[in-house]
Amino acid sequence: DQQVKQNSPSLSVQEGRISILNCDYTNSMFDYFLWYKKYPAEGPTFLISISSIKDKNEDGRFTVFLNKSAKHLSLHIVPSQPGDSAVYFCAASGTSGTYKYIFGTGTRLKVLA
Amino acid sequence: EAQVTQNPRYLITVTGKKLTVTCSQNMNHEYMSWYRQDPGLGLRQIYYSMNVEVTDKGDVPEGYKVSRKEKRNFPLILESPSPNQTSLYFCASQGVGQPQHFGDGTRLSIL
Repeated sequence: DQQVKQNSPSLSVQEGRISILNCDYTNSMFDYFLWYKKYPAEGPTFLISISSIKDKNEDGRFTVFLNKSAKHLSLHIVPSQPGDSAVYFCAASGTSGTYKYIFGTGTRLKVLA
Repeated sequence: EAQVTQNPRYLITVTGKKLTVTCSQNMNHEYMSWYRQDPGLGLRQIYYSMNVEVTDKGDVPEGYKVSRKEKRNFPLILESPSPNQTSLYFCASQGVGQPQHFGDGTRLSIL
């Protein structure tokens, strides 16, 4: 049973436009969520996180929104740049700072120049 | 430079031949973890360690062993590898209150 789901395997966006990547989860005990970006032949790198006490966290061009009632989070990238082309994984854990993580299946973002 | 180093990066081997993938971090992190990445399944946690001599199972521990004798090292051991363990493996380390740092991956092919 996939507790963290990214239902869009891929997404293409024009440079300068907004990219919206979505993630759904089923376990109501999750209270800390993260997004990672992965380039080919490299490990995932941390992008942004959000605790369940917040509904939004922003870092430069990246904003994560959390809708706890819908068990849904999204990553917005504005404006999108060709260097953002990568696979994006969302991840969830039960307690902020805990060590057990559940990852989604990833969304491949392609930003077209 | 803060690093998580995995070795080897690539390995082709045969069923039943014991192998070890090493992982080392230079950030003095307490927590380390192993994941495997498979198409359509994302990253799945195999084992994790909260500190020296403290390890616990993740979601897919079957067929794997780990040890944490030193803080910086967290090797992944496949005692009797099978073809279904062909995958891309990532090691990660994490300090308290920090996000995970990942290595660049080890691609294992078991024939």
